[in-house]
Amino acid sequence: AQSVTQLGSHVSVSEGALVLLRCNYSSSVPPYLFWYVQYPNQGLQLLLKYTSAATLVKGINGFEAEFKKSETSFHLTKPSAHMSDAAEYFCAVSDLNTGRRALTFGSGTRLQVQP
Amino acid sequence: GAGVSQSPSNKVTEKGKDVELRCDPISGHTALYWYRQSLGQGLEFLIYFQGNSAPDKSGLPSDRFSAERTGGSVSTLTIQRTQQEDSAVYLCASSAPGSSYNEQFFGPGTRLTVL
Repeated sequence: AQSVTQLGSHVSVSEGALVLLRCNYSSSVPPYLFWYVQYPNQGLQLLLKYTSAATLVKGINGFEAEFKKSETSFHLTKPSAHMSDAAEYFCAVSDLNTGRRALTFGSGTRLQVQP
Repeated sequence: GAGVSQSPSNKVTEKGKDVELRCDPISGHTALYWYRQSLGQGLEFLIYFQGNSAPDKSGLPSDRFSAERTGGSVSTLTIQRTQQEDSAVYLCASSAPGSSYNEQFFGPGTRLTVL
């Protein structure tokens, strides 16, 4: 079964600093990959998705992620953190090659942004 | 347009009671998913509906959990004889027909508390 690993359950950065949230997947065939954000007491909002069209994916709110097959990684970055970026971020994988339609999620990373 | 909606937003119940959680997917979306988000377990897949096909129930944790989808639209998740470990946020998601990479849109969730 495929899995997703997010290193660091909590990440704290200063406002204006680089944001780097790590995600590694396990799959013999490159899957479809997603980053979702969850603000307090809200559902999940899609930030961006990798669908094999391009390895560098740009999403909403200035976030982007790079798919690296050699490292089985899909890390999320943002050049300059804003206070409004404080939330929980989930990496997820969809491996339709296995016929499984459900998303498999990582355990999440809570991002704190310090003023 | 309208997103995925869920009701109630919060539900408090006593151990042993049955509860019903409702999900209205995005209009025209043929696929519907239920996930559970709980402390220590992260986001877990529960059940998946696609059109008129038999649902994928592989994620349901016990036979106390069941779900139905009427008319290919609204879905109800039922938990019988609730236990304290059922306390969690239940998230519903839907995806469009022919979505080749399975992008899912999430509702705000129902927070279930079992006393």
